[in-house]
Amino acid sequence: EAQVTQNPRYLITVTGKKLTVTCSQNMNHEYMSWYRQDPGLGLRQIYYSMNVEVTDKGDVPEGYKVSRKEKRNFPLILESPSPNQTSLYFCASSHRDRGQDYGYTFGSGTRLTVV
Amino acid sequence: QQQVKQSPQSLIVQKGGISIINCAYENTAFDYFPWYQQFPGKGPALLIAIRPDVSEKKEGRFTISFNKSAKQFSLHIMDSQPGDSATYFCAASKGRGSTLGRLYFGRGTQLTVWP
Repeated sequence: EAQVTQNPRYLITVTGKKLTVTCSQNMNHEYMSWYRQDPGLGLRQIYYSMNVEVTDKGDVPEGYKVSRKEKRNFPLILESPSPNQTSLYFCASSHRDRGQDYGYTFGSGTRLTVV
Repeated sequence: QQQVKQSPQSLIVQKGGISIINCAYENTAFDYFPWYQQFPGKGPALLIAIRPDVSEKKEGRFTISFNKSAKQFSLHIMDSQPGDSATYFCAASKGRGSTLGRLYFGRGTQLTVWP
């Protein structure tokens, strides 16, 4: 089954304790992206990646890191989490065909609480 | 600066009625306009998308109307059903050329369809 898999689904952590949210896709997609979803603010892009070793900042990159060492994986790293990073996080992947973008396929989400 | 503005924030429609959600954008470089549907506890799922070379696209009960000169696009759900109750997001991206993978979302519309 074609899918984007995020882990964990739920995470409660303390301020300052480094954490990683993993993301993997099995569709051989070039593009991958991380979004956070907050009430009333919709989905805001954190980072995105056009291919292996190619990443760029989205709208809200502060406090986050990403890496794309393999095509299928795109982990999100919070080096020193703070309470304002409490949110619902989504990983997504997409592809191009004949020079055109297609829609993102989203994972099921990771609900992060930083206390 | 919000790249895509969506309205209304919430919408209540009777079963069998027409649901209409509107979005507006400023960046004329956008050339890919998807709509996503999100159910509680799930990630957003691509519903329908349009490119600016057409003014309307229909898939079943879902229709996108696109007005390039006004820089507006809308989602119409005909014969709305209780199962359509979800949050809907419009989005926009530069589907061709540079900054591929950069997808901007509206803030979402919570649709409730009463039986």
